[in-house]
Amino acid sequence: GQQVMQIPQYQHVQEGEDFTTYCNSSTTLSNIQWYKQRPGGHPVFLIQLVKSGEVKKQKRLTFQFGEAKKNSSLHITATQTTDVGTYFCAGPSGTYKYIFGTGTRLKVLA
Amino acid sequence: EPEVTQTPSHQVTQMGQEVILRCVPISNHLYFYWYRQILGQKVEFLVSFYNNEISEKSEIFDDQFSVERPDGSNFTLKIRSTKLEDSAMYFCASSLIGMAGELFFGEGSRLTVL
Repeated sequence: GQQVMQIPQYQHVQEGEDFTTYCNSSTTLSNIQWYKQRPGGHPVFLIQLVKSGEVKKQKRLTFQFGEAKKNSSLHITATQTTDVGTYFCAGPSGTYKYIFGTGTRLKVLA
Repeated sequence: EPEVTQTPSHQVTQMGQEVILRCVPISNHLYFYWYRQILGQKVEFLVSFYNNEISEKSEIFDDQFSVERPDGSNFTLKIRSTKLEDSAMYFCASSLIGMAGELFFGEGSRLTVL
């Protein structure tokens, strides 16, 4: 079945450093979503990308969708302690299902 | 801001007991989902529900699981005979549109099976 993998699994950064997580799907995706889950919390939607090669920015966060629509990345510039959490990508599978990636847990050291 | 609400927030049960987890999706949403997350692991799809019937279900969603929308607001997940490995956080989610819509998650119901 379809698999969505993310690397790295964990990342510890010093506050102010940059962070990137990569998402790879075994199949081509019509769109990809990104979610953030704070420790002890629930996933919260960040963004959706639809077009091949699309780049979107939200303040310090930059999201990219690969040309082949099988991979995506999330880059955070100058991390802050509020960025702590697990970042998941999610891609549609079938008609009514989103498959979540394995997640990247980010820890920011002050 | 509208939100998805889930009850209970935590349930402890004995193995073999039946459990019902309840969710109130956002009122104008049409698509409903259950996901689960074993501690520290990824968010796993269980089932999607649209137009009063199951749309898709995963391999995890076997005969022990069922979902229901008994009235216009509640969406429930029933586990008939719980196993130790059912211990997890169960998230309900809803979306306004299907495969291009943002999923709104509830805060989750933590199930502990002893």
